[in-house]
Amino acid sequence: DAGITQSPRYKITETGRQVTLMCHQTWSHSYMFWYRQDLGHGLRLIYYSAAADITDKGEVPDGYVVSRSKTENFPLTLESATRSQTSVYFCASSESSVITEAFFGQGTRLTVV
Amino acid sequence: SQQGEEDPQALSIQEGENATMNCSYKTSINNLQWYRQNSGRGLVHLILIRSNEREKHSGRLRVTLDTSKKSSSLLITASRAADTASYFCATENTGRRALTFGSGTRLQVQP
Repeated sequence: DAGITQSPRYKITETGRQVTLMCHQTWSHSYMFWYRQDLGHGLRLIYYSAAADITDKGEVPDGYVVSRSKTENFPLTLESATRSQTSVYFCASSESSVITEAFFGQGTRLTVV
Repeated sequence: SQQGEEDPQALSIQEGENATMNCSYKTSINNLQWYRQNSGRGLVHLILIRSNEREKHSGRLRVTLDTSKKSSSLLITASRAADTASYFCATENTGRRALTFGSGTRLQVQP
């Protein structure tokens, strides 16, 4: 199916564990983004990528790692999960360098216990 | 820190009334966009206004932009219960190819 999909939709993990959130888009969009959404903070940018093998830090990158070996995939890894990383994570993509519209996945609800 | 801040944080109106949400931002922008998020879902793009535009319409949506005040407003006319959602402004800053979102306005439209 065309679009942008995130997996898993829900994840519970323990403090200190490594966890990877997956994001896949079928449009071959150049730009991809990871956001986290917390009550009172709206969406905050974690990392973004302008193309394969090009990534940049956003507002809150600490504790996260990304890679973009293929245009369509943009996984987000929490190297050692902490309770403060409990959040809803959204992946998004955009076609061009002037971002006229971003397309969002359904989100991954991550709970760190 | 957040680039955009919406006001009010929450808004409750009756069906048929108009809803106005405001957004303020801090730095120079290429464009400003508004998104809607239904509960438990991803964000959906509503409308974009470029930095050289002052007003834009799309169906029941009207967006204004005042770059001198670094502010924007979203007006939803003749609201419906289905408009119940959170609304976010987002800016693409001149220095970064990424959207920065505000904290959102939760709109409740009572039938």
